Amino acid sequence: AQKVTQAQTEISVVEKEDVTLDCVYETRDTTYYLFWYKQPPSGELVFLIRRNSFDEQNEISGRYSWNFQKSTSSFNFTITASQVVDSAVYFCALNLMDSNYQLIWGAGTKLIIKP
Amino acid sequence: GAVVSQHPSWVICKSGTSVKIECRSLDFQATTMFWYRQFPKQSLMLMATSNEGSKATYEQGVEKDKFLINHASLTLSTLTVTSAHPEDSSFYICSARVEYYGYTFGSGTRLTVV
Repeated sequence: AQKVTQAQTEISVVEKEDVTLDCVYETRDTTYYLFWYKQPPSGELVFLIRRNSFDEQNEISGRYSWNFQKSTSSFNFTITASQVVDSAVYFCALNLMDSNYQLIWGAGTKLIIKP
Repeated sequence: GAVVSQHPSWVICKSGTSVKIECRSLDFQATTMFWYRQFPKQSLMLMATSNEGSKATYEQGVEKDKFLINHASLTLSTLTVTSAHPEDSSFYICSARVEYYGYTFGSGTRLTVV
């Protein structure tokens, strides 16, 4: 089965704390892509990262970092020194290597950053 | 690049009327378009996948006669909610496959049926 699990429904932290959002996936494909998107209250999805299954290097972009571990089928997302503007729902997604390349979405994690 | 323009952003309609949502790819050709529905505090639910010039493929449980999808050109895909009822109220999002980024998304349409 192809599946993405974001076990954390909601996380609340105080500004400047570090926070990690978990993502665990299941797929029988050997080639796949994983994504993280941010959805602020406006509803518009914001692309954060795409990672292919052959690239296990961790990635850092400013305060954001991603830890991809194929051994545990996880693709976790860490925000360092969180800010109020980081408050949003974050989705992890896996794309199927079928003819249409559908995305399989996690349930999302609502992140609340308190001032 | 790779922008999808979705209109309207929000719409309120009376029960029994039809509503059309448009998604236009502004600077690329969208061969494949995905239509999602999102209920409050839930994830995106794929409704259908459409390929330009072909009939849309609907996910199980999605009424194809109620949610009409047209993808007649590489730059325009539409979703028409026919005979809308309050339970059709939701946030609808279109998405297109893009070679490098993977996917690009419209800004969404918030539909309220009264």
